[in-house]
Amino acid sequence: NAGVTQTPKFQVLKTGQSMTLQCAQDMNHEYMSWYRQDPGMGLRLIHYSVGAGITDQGEVPNGYNVSRSTTEDFPLRLLSAAPSQTSVYFCASTQAPRGVRGWVQYFGPGTRLTVT
Amino acid sequence: DAKTTQPTSMDCAEGRAANLPCNHSTISGNEYVYWYRQIHSQGPQYIIHGLKNNETNEMASLIITEDRKSSTLILPHATLRDTAVYYCIARRYNQGGKLIFGQGTELSVKP
Repeated sequence: NAGVTQTPKFQVLKTGQSMTLQCAQDMNHEYMSWYRQDPGMGLRLIHYSVGAGITDQGEVPNGYNVSRSTTEDFPLRLLSAAPSQTSVYFCASTQAPRGVRGWVQYFGPGTRLTVT
Repeated sequence: DAKTTQPTSMDCAEGRAANLPCNHSTISGNEYVYWYRQIHSQGPQYIIHGLKNNETNEMASLIITEDRKSSTLILPHATLRDTAVYYCIARRYNQGGKLIFGQGTELSVKP
């Protein structure tokens, strides 16, 4: 059971390039999310998914696309990278509550992206 | 989600209890109080959550006031490895994949 995995760990892009950040989970969680964290700041929600084929926007969705074709995978696409997207990106999957105990979210190790 | 307010930073001596406060005066009846922490450069880690009763697990205890307007996370015997940013979050039961993070409290455990 690897939990939440993210690839790559580090990436450098030039302005205007596109790329996909990969996220996978092996816990059969329905809910998955993407966050970004800028230096010295808290996490901000980019997009999230409540199940395969269903996605929605978070606080800062502009410049990013997501899709969810399987339960396990939730890739994040940068369409045309900009220096403002330099950040650490975290993927998370959420364990549904047992009874009325509430949700628990598990995070991956992060992808450190620099856009020059 | 109810807004939460935490001190920006705190210090704690190694081996002593660390008590991290959180104010959530506008919390609604169906919102849980969650605590996560983030050790430098790592992904956030779930610690504990509760609705209105005090909770304890192998990592920490959570004390929620009777009026639910504030709570305290207690690390009973802090170690240097507990140095991290601690986030208190109020969220509804059915919010699934959404967590809204504030600025958190930077806890420094000192020898």
